[in-house]
Amino acid sequence: DAKTTQPTSMDCAEGRAANLPCNHSTISGNEYVYWYRQIHSQGPQYIIHGLKNNETNEMASLIITEDRKSSTLILPHATLRDTAVYYCMGRGGGSNYKLTFGKGTLLTVNP
Amino acid sequence: DTEVTQTPKHLVMGMTNKKSLKCEQHMGHRAMYWYKQKAKKPPELMFVYSYEKLSINESVPSRFSPECPNSSLLNLHLHALQPEDSALYLCASSQFLALSSYNSPLHFGNGTRLTVT
Repeated sequence: DAKTTQPTSMDCAEGRAANLPCNHSTISGNEYVYWYRQIHSQGPQYIIHGLKNNETNEMASLIITEDRKSSTLILPHATLRDTAVYYCMGRGGGSNYKLTFGKGTLLTVNP
Repeated sequence: DTEVTQTPKHLVMGMTNKKSLKCEQHMGHRAMYWYKQKAKKPPELMFVYSYEKLSINESVPSRFSPECPNSSLLNLHLHALQPEDSALYLCASSQFLALSSYNSPLHFGNGTRLTVT
């Protein structure tokens, strides 16, 4: 099983920032943290990934703590179309070959 | 739209049927993946191909048979499935084998929704 933990669900008001946390306490020094999201009835969509430094792209920002045991995905101005399940992905249990999804966070953006 | 195309979008098959799921990408990626996703659950890895060779089989039953004819195509052959195999089957690709330590995001298709009757 994945060694990531996320809240089951979160709500956010439209136009506000959505901050989604993920704990990945077993991540090793050379392993990246990836974030994906899955909108209903679609395949997962890649959002962002990082190793040590904070990252930003056109979709989101990723803040990784200095000890790399946790990270936060930030959607700066959430819209209704951002309602989705957000997955933080790290090393799978016992094998470096696995990219295993955790249970994810259902983010609901409310008008 | 995604850059990974899966066909068909929906498939209904009986337990004695043989069918195939197809996946195609033209991004020049050298690794391709099959995932299975049950309702309200995260995707689960089934198979991984790297440079057209099977690299990972996550102890999947033999009624699922993957095939990678070339670097752009990935098939999943289905035979004698059970109703509990009904799920969304997702294909993904990445530039290189996406071990956690590599800088190689996965790109997913929108899946084939399979119903076994």
